[in-house]
Amino acid sequence: NAGVTQTPKFQVLKTGQSMTLQCAQDMNHEYMSWYRQDPGMGLRLIHYSVGAGITDQGEVPNGYNVSRSTTEDFPLRLLSAAPSQTSVYFCASTSVSSYNSPLHFGNGTRLTVT
Amino acid sequence: AQTVTQSQPEMSVQEAETVTLSCTYDTSESDYYLFWYKQPPSRQMILVIRQEAYKQQNATENRFSVNFQKAAKSFSLKISDSQLGDAAMYFCAYELTGNQFYFGTGTSLTVIP
Repeated sequence: NAGVTQTPKFQVLKTGQSMTLQCAQDMNHEYMSWYRQDPGMGLRLIHYSVGAGITDQGEVPNGYNVSRSTTEDFPLRLLSAAPSQTSVYFCASTSVSSYNSPLHFGNGTRLTVT
Repeated sequence: AQTVTQSQPEMSVQEAETVTLSCTYDTSESDYYLFWYKQPPSRQMILVIRQEAYKQQNATENRFSVNFQKAAKSFSLKISDSQLGDAAMYFCAYELTGNQFYFGTGTSLTVIP
């Protein structure tokens, strides 16, 4: 029972580099989302998706792209990394059809941009 | 604007004692759900307890309970018989219809042996 799987756990990038954070869930959840966690700021929503082919912006979408080609996968792309994107990133999923279903989180990715 | 306020950035409690973490929120919706998540040093986000806004009875999960005051928009977490393993960052969150989740900034709990 894997739940939500995020890779990698740690990543160091140089300014201007691109990369993709992977997220996969095996719970058949319709809703998937990406958050970033910064000290003193809690979790802020970057992008979310309510099903394959559907994505939308959250609170802090600039500098990030997402796509949802399957129910299971929801990758987050950084096109040109900036030091301001140094953060811990969480992928989370939940069931849309079951209200009061909590968010299930991956174990996070610590990203450092130098 | 939907907001969640955790006014205590840090708290400490003696082992075996009781501690209460505060949380207030602001929404004009009447139907929503409230959650407390725990984040230990491992970074994993763990659901502690949840509360339906339409229920007046406060939720409990073993040593964890909430004091939900809907009119005051308050949702505090009480941890009884604190254990060393309770040391973590605690996040309050609420969910509106449409899977819109809003998180507070967290309270770092230290448990003193």
